[in-house]
Parts: sequence; structure tokens; C-alpha cells
Amino acid sequence: DQQVKQNSPSLSVQEGRISILNCDYTNSMFDYFLWYKKYPAEGPTFLISISSIKDKNEDGRFTVFLNKSAKHLSLHIVPSQPGDSAVYFCAALSKANFGNEKLTFGTGTRLTIIP
Amino acid sequence: DTAVSQTPKYLVTQMGNDKSIKCEQNLGHDTMYWYKQDSKKFLKIMFSYNNKELIINETVPNRFSPKSPDKAHLNLHINSLELGDSAVYFCASSRGWGTNYNEQFFGPGTRLTVL
Repeated sequence: DQQVKQNSPSLSVQEGRISILNCDYTNSMFDYFLWYKKYPAEGPTFLISISSIKDKNEDGRFTVFLNKSAKHLSLHIVPSQPGDSAVYFCAALSKANFGNEKLTFGTGTRLTIIP
Repeated sequence: DTAVSQTPKYLVTQMGNDKSIKCEQNLGHDTMYWYKQDSKKFLKIMFSYNNKELIINETVPNRFSPKSPDKAHLNLHINSLELGDSAVYFCASSRGWGTNYNEQFFGPGTRLTVL
């Protein structure tokens, strides 16, 4: 039972354009959402997060949008740069678990930025 | 200065063998985790320890036994290895307290191949 889904396994975007990665979740108990970025042969690294009390969080070129009614979140990267080429994982948890975070991950989207 | 390190990076072994993967973090964190990423790229939590105490055990077979000799180490011992154990295993750590999200820092992963 996959509670966090990333339906696009891969995405290619021209350098300088906007990259939009999507994620859907099914568990209503999730109220905190994260994006992790992973390069080959490395572990995932935290990128950006959003609490369910917000619908948008921005950090430089990265913006995460949350649509609670649709149980959908997206990560926007603008402008996209070659160094953004990586696998992006969406993750979710319940804030009740802060202090012992049990992350539920999606299967990832491989983003390729074309120079 | 590697924050979360794992050894070995690659492990190839025969079915039925017993093997261990070591994890160490130098971040002073209280909580450590083991994740498994299977062939479908699904990254799933297996265990978490807080101050050497088991907190999360996600219905992992008894053949998997985590051991935490101290707060900075969480090793994973696997008995009677099976073909289905082939995966990439990631160790992670987080601060483990507070009312905000505690970012999880991941190690580079250990690719286990069971022949």
C-alpha cells in the first residue's frame, strides 16, 4: 500500500526552464511534507519542507506547493540548472512523530536538466 | 568530515550467509534509522533507535537485527541472507527531539547483492 506516490519516474527539462515535480498522498494523518534530492552513489539530502498549515513554501529557486483537499504537492524549480539533475523523493509524516520522524517516501522522480 | 558513514559500500555474498553493515554518525544526534531501497526504488524505513532504544520496527523479518552499542552507532546484522534481501540499505540520523521537524541526514548507502 503506497501512501506516497510519484507517478512520473522521469522528467527532462531544458536548462533555464521551470521543473515541476508532482507527488500525491493518501494518508490523511500526514501533515508535514518534504522533498529530498539524491545524486548517484550518495544518500538523499533534505531540500525543502512544508507544513499542512501552509500552502506554499519558498527557498531560493525551490518552491513547494501543497493542495490539502487534493492530497497533492508539487516542487517547482526555477530556473532549472544542470546541477539539479538528480532523483527527487517526496516524503511525508505526521507532526505527532516529530522527535522520532518516521518518513514515508515516494518512489522518486529522476530529473534531467538538458543544457 | 563525513556526517553519516556506512561500511561497506558494496557487499556481495551468497544466500544463507550472515553479514553486518556498520553505520556511524558524528553529528551528535540522538536518533538513528535504517532504510531499505528495493529494486523498485521504494525507500522504506526498517528501524529507528533513539538513545540506543528501539523505537520503530516496521515488520522486518527477525533475520534482521539492529544493534546500537552507543548513540553514534547503529549496525545492521542480517542472518541467513535471502535473494530478496538484495537492495541498497541507507543509514540516517536526526536530532531526535523538539517540536519541529528534525532533518534526517543520510549515509551514502550500502549496496547488498545476494547471489
